[in-house]
Amino acid sequence: AQSVTQPDIHITVSEGASLELRCNYSYGATPYLFWYVQSPGQGLQLLLKYFSGDTLVQGIKGFEAEFKRSQSSFNLRKPSVHWSDAAEYFCAGAGGYQKVTFGIGTKLQVIP
Amino acid sequence: NAGVTQTPKFRILKIGQSMTLQCTQDMNHNYMYWYRQDPGMGLKLIYYSVGAGITDKGEVPNGYNVSRSTTEDFPLRLELAAPSQTSVYFCASSPVPTSYEQYFGPGTRLTVT
Repeated sequence: AQSVTQPDIHITVSEGASLELRCNYSYGATPYLFWYVQSPGQGLQLLLKYFSGDTLVQGIKGFEAEFKRSQSSFNLRKPSVHWSDAAEYFCAGAGGYQKVTFGIGTKLQVIP
Repeated sequence: NAGVTQTPKFRILKIGQSMTLQCTQDMNHNYMYWYRQDPGMGLKLIYYSVGAGITDKGEVPNGYNVSRSTTEDFPLRLELAAPSQTSVYFCASSPVPTSYEQYFGPGTRLTVT
């Protein structure tokens, strides 16, 4: 079945440290892949998306993600985390005219 | 340009009551979706619509109904509320299905007691 997996439910990082959130996908062909962010009490906001082409994708708020076909991964990164980045992050995938599938989310805590 | 708006933001229902969650988008998107979000479960698709007059079931449609009489509006109806429907509900829209990029509303937090 087509799916995305976020293996980390909760991650804590110090402000200013680098961040990597993991996402693995399971699709027959190269899927469309997304990262969304959800601040407390808010809806989801698109951070970035990958359709094809350059495997390193730049998004908003200083985030980037790299598509690695060999590892079936689409990890989200940020070189220096700010306290305002504390939120829940969702990886999502779609392909073959199927609906978008969301991962269960990774909750990011940022400590001073 | 308000994007996707949802009302109400919060609601408490008693078991067996009914209600309609409202969703409106002003981006002229053909595709609209209803999701529910439960802790640790991600988002589950309830219903979706590919245009006015056309709706279809998603992954978890039981206990819900939808209608799409206009491009802008996509209300979600709960007929006989049950505690299992306690959740946060998100409406989303998309310009074309092949982009898969969705724009979300702020959500409705529903508690059924």
